[in-house]
Amino acid sequence: AQSVTQPDIHITVSEGASLELRCNYSYGATPYLFWYVQSPGQGLQLLLKYFSGDTLVQGIKGFEAEFKRSQSSFNLRKPSVHWSDAAEYFCAVNAGGTSYGKLTFGQGTILTVHP
Amino acid sequence: GAVVSQHPSWVICKSGTSVKIECRSLDFQATTMFWYRQFPKQSLMLMATSNEGSKATYEQGVEKDKFLINHASLTLSTLTVTSAHPEDSSFYICSAPKASGGSREQFFGPGTRLTVL
Repeated sequence: AQSVTQPDIHITVSEGASLELRCNYSYGATPYLFWYVQSPGQGLQLLLKYFSGDTLVQGIKGFEAEFKRSQSSFNLRKPSVHWSDAAEYFCAVNAGGTSYGKLTFGQGTILTVHP
Repeated sequence: GAVVSQHPSWVICKSGTSVKIECRSLDFQATTMFWYRQFPKQSLMLMATSNEGSKATYEQGVEKDKFLINHASLTLSTLTVTSAHPEDSSFYICSAPKASGGSREQFFGPGTRLTVL
């Protein structure tokens, strides 16, 4: 069975600082990989996804993520954090094929941004 | 992007009563929708796959008789929590896939907060 681990439950950064949120997955093959952001009162919003090809993926709001097969990781990065980035971030995987849409989520990382 | 709505956004009910939650895809059709449950400070867990015109498929450990799912049309799926108990209090979120740029992207509803007293 596939699983996702986000080692950091809570991260605090200063506005303007760089950010990296970690995500490790366990799956026999390369799954489809996603990062979502959840703000209070709003649905999950897709930041970026990786299906195949270039291992460095660009997303919305200035986020990027890098797929590293050797480390089974898909870490999310942003060079300069804005106060509006404070939210909870979820990494998710999907086996694809007939199970497309069935997402397995990590535990989530809460991001706090200090002014 | 596509819009998925949920109604109600929050509900409080007494133990033993049933609660219906609606999930609608507002600007696209979805033959499949997914229901997730999120407990406080925990991640989202897939409960079931809602299939238009056929029975829902449930994940292991999810009671199908307790969580009734009906996918009555291409834009509406409902989740009914029957005989709700306090342990059913949770945040319920639906999602629907929409074709986007050669692949399908999941669009999530804003969630429904259920509190069972």
